[in-house]
Amino acid sequence: DAKTTQPPSMDCAEGRAANLPCNHSTISGNEYVYWYRQIHSQGPQYIIHGLKNNETNEMASLIITEDRKSSTLILPHATLRDTAVYYCIVRGNYGGSQGNLIFGKGTKLSVKP
Amino acid sequence: ETGVTQTPRHLVMGMTNKKSLKCEQHLGHNAMYWYKQSAKKPLELMFVYNFKEQTENNSVPSRFSPECPNSSHLFLHLHTLQPEDSALYLCASSQEDRVPSYEQYFGPGTRLTVT
Repeated sequence: DAKTTQPPSMDCAEGRAANLPCNHSTISGNEYVYWYRQIHSQGPQYIIHGLKNNETNEMASLIITEDRKSSTLILPHATLRDTAVYYCIVRGNYGGSQGNLIFGKGTKLSVKP
Repeated sequence: ETGVTQTPRHLVMGMTNKKSLKCEQHLGHNAMYWYKQSAKKPLELMFVYNFKEQTENNSVPSRFSPECPNSSHLFLHLHTLQPEDSALYLCASSQEDRVPSYEQYFGPGTRLTVT
């Protein structure tokens, strides 16, 4: 089972920041938080990952709380093409089945004009 | 384009047919994966191949048979499927060294319909 909890859906106005929350209260010390998204009829796409520090790349920012029990993915200027299902995944950074990606139901983000 | 291709993109087959799904990755990765995505259900990991060796089989019925002849190609052989096997089948690849890679690259999927 997925070790994360996300709201099933969110709306965001085009051009505004989209803030997608994720709860992972049972995360262990060596587990990372990963975010993927799946645009309709496509395969999932990696966005960003982090351990405990905030991370930023060209796609998004990841804010992880100090206790690491929750995180927020931020799309700073959402566009219509960001409409997708966003998955927050907790994953160990080691081999074997504990390193597999376990997808939950994710958050369906709808960016509206 | 992610560097992972899947063929065919769409497949309709009867329950008595035998068909195969093909995945090819052009990224030089050493691990490949099959996932199943049924309607309104999360993606389910089916099989994992690492250095061409199957390292994971998540209780998948024997009517699904994977094959990994080399690190660039992955097949999923299908026979005597059931209508509930209709789903999007996704292939992914990654570079797994001493620790798992942080990024899996997914193909576009094969939409399978079993009639």
